[in-house]
Amino acid sequence: SQTIHQWPATLVQPVGSPLSLECTVEGTSNPNLYWYRQAAGRGLQLLFYSVGIGQISSEVPQNLSASRPQDRQFILSSKKLLLSDSGFYLCAWSVARGGAETQYFGPGTRLLVL
Amino acid sequence: GDSVTQMEGPVTLSEEAFLTINCTYTATGYPSLFWYVQYPGEGLQLLLKATKADDKGSNKGFEATYRKETTSFHLEKGSVQVSDSAVYFCALSANSGYALNFGKGTSLLVTP
Repeated sequence: SQTIHQWPATLVQPVGSPLSLECTVEGTSNPNLYWYRQAAGRGLQLLFYSVGIGQISSEVPQNLSASRPQDRQFILSSKKLLLSDSGFYLCAWSVARGGAETQYFGPGTRLLVL
Repeated sequence: GDSVTQMEGPVTLSEEAFLTINCTYTATGYPSLFWYVQYPGEGLQLLLKATKADDKGSNKGFEATYRKETTSFHLEKGSVQVSDSAVYFCALSANSGYALNFGKGTSLLVTP
């Protein structure tokens, strides 16, 4: 069966510091991968998605970036965090058959920027 | 663009009460529809889904029917339990594109 891992689970970072969140998927090959952010009272927002190694699409321009160095690894980064980057970051995967596929979510990383 | 509107909470029910959480959508074409549940401090879990009109998704006593004529996908459960306390998200996935469009979530609290 497929599993998805995210770490760290919780992170407290000062404004202006860098960020690296990691997501890995097991039990499937060539998945589509996604990063969402859940901010208080604002629902879930898709930040990035990837359909293959090195292929990243950004949905929302901001100071975050994503990379996919391996088939089942997805990384969310920032060079300098802002207060507004605080939130709950969720990684998800789906079978790579194009749109409308079910997405399965990881446990999330709670980020607090102070 | 595509969007999902769900009733705002919080919803507070007594154990064994009947639950309805309304969800309506706007989309071109024929989207797939989903309900996800988020327990406190956790990620989202897929609760049920429907991929075409008149499909009924069901899981753990929850049901939702894809109604194209009313563009709705309301979540129902006949008898809620305290363990059902969570935030419920309605979402749609268009046949083109990759994003899931989520509603803002409905918080449910079930009291003994």
